[in-house]
Amino acid sequence: AQKVTQAQTEISVVEKEDVTLDCVYETRDTTYYLFWYKQPPSGELVFLIRRNSFDEQNEISGRYSWNFQKSTSSFNFTITASQVVDSAVYFCALSGLQGNYQLIWGAGTKLIIKP
Amino acid sequence: NAGVTQTPKFQVLKTGQSMTLQCAQDMNHEYMSWYRQDPGMGLRLIHYSVGAGITDQGEVPNGYNVSRSTTEDFPLRLLSAAPSQTSVYFCASSYGSRAYNEQFFGPGTRLTVL
Repeated sequence: AQKVTQAQTEISVVEKEDVTLDCVYETRDTTYYLFWYKQPPSGELVFLIRRNSFDEQNEISGRYSWNFQKSTSSFNFTITASQVVDSAVYFCALSGLQGNYQLIWGAGTKLIIKP
Repeated sequence: NAGVTQTPKFQVLKTGQSMTLQCAQDMNHEYMSWYRQDPGMGLRLIHYSVGAGITDQGEVPNGYNVSRSTTEDFPLRLLSAAPSQTSVYFCASSYGSRAYNEQFFGPGTRLTVL
């Protein structure tokens, strides 16, 4: 079965610290997609990134970076020099053939950035 | 371009009542879906549609019905509300007929069943 685990329920850091959100997934598929979504306190869900299983290159977008490692089935998300506006719940999700390409979501990590 | 819209934003029902949550998108997306979000559980798929006239069940379909008569609209019907259906409901859409593209979400409907 497919599964996404976000073991960190809540993380609290002081502004300007770097923080890494962990995501571990399980799948038997060879082709699959991994996602990160952000849910700020206002409640809407915002897409951040999608990676496919054949592209293990790390991705950087401003202060955000993602580390995809198939060897450890992980797709971790790092925020560098965190800001108060980064406070949100972050979800990792998986889409693969085994689940008819529907999204399987992790439970989310609540990130609190203190000023 | 309104994106994905949902109505109502809040709703309180009594056990046994029925209601319809509305969802519409103006991006001509083929794929639409309904999720429920419960504390500590992430999002769970209720029903989805890959185009007008085509719907299918997700992970937690019991107690819900959907239909897709147009590309734009994808309403979710609660047949006989139960307290276990108290949740936040999100509608989403994406281009193509699969969920592995970027999903665009509506603002959500917070439903309380007493």
